[in-house]
Amino acid sequence: QKEVEQNSGPLSVPEGAIASLNCTYSDRGSQSFFWYRQYSGKSPELIMFIYSNGDKEDGRFTAQLNKASQYVSLLIRDSQPSDSATYLCAVKGDSNYQLIWGAGTKLIIKP
Amino acid sequence: NAGVMQNPRHLVRRRGQEARLRCSPMKGHSHVYWYRQLPEEGLKFMVYLQKENIIDESGMPKERFSAEFPKEGPSILRIQQVVRGDSAAYFCASPTSTDTQYFGPGTRLTVL
Repeated sequence: QKEVEQNSGPLSVPEGAIASLNCTYSDRGSQSFFWYRQYSGKSPELIMFIYSNGDKEDGRFTAQLNKASQYVSLLIRDSQPSDSATYLCAVKGDSNYQLIWGAGTKLIIKP
Repeated sequence: NAGVMQNPRHLVRRRGQEARLRCSPMKGHSHVYWYRQLPEEGLKFMVYLQKENIIDESGMPKERFSAEFPKEGPSILRIQQVVRGDSAAYFCASPTSTDTQYFGPGTRLTVL
């Protein structure tokens, strides 16, 4: 059973600080990794994806992938109250077309 | 929502009625995923379709649920004889060649 694990939270971070969200996965053959943000009552929206080991930066967001340790993380710098949402991690293996989804981490940015 | 359309946005049905949810993927795309999300829970894969073909329906309940994606028109997720436990948000997603999925706004189904 392929799994993606996330801490459900809530993770509370003061405004302006760095928020760190983590995700582990069980399928060592996974190739593609995605972070989505979902506001309450809304649909998931893509933040970024990463395929290679290391860091990938996009504005205030940095995704970090470590395939050897089977984890992917998302860092949010200079956290804003508008970043308060649930963050979903999704992983795609090399054997099929489905994304395997984590249950999400609820992030709260406190002003 | 990257051009993925779903309707209706909200749907209220009484127990025993039928619910039909529609999804049009991004323009020029011919595949859709359907997901269900119960309140305060994660996304659950239901079915993956391309036009005129069901690729993977391993997440669909065995009874009452069906999905199609005809050659013309939107993909339809059909729930027959709805029960209160079917109340959820139903999302469709349009995949790209890089495996990224773009979601529609969802349909919130409420069963009374």
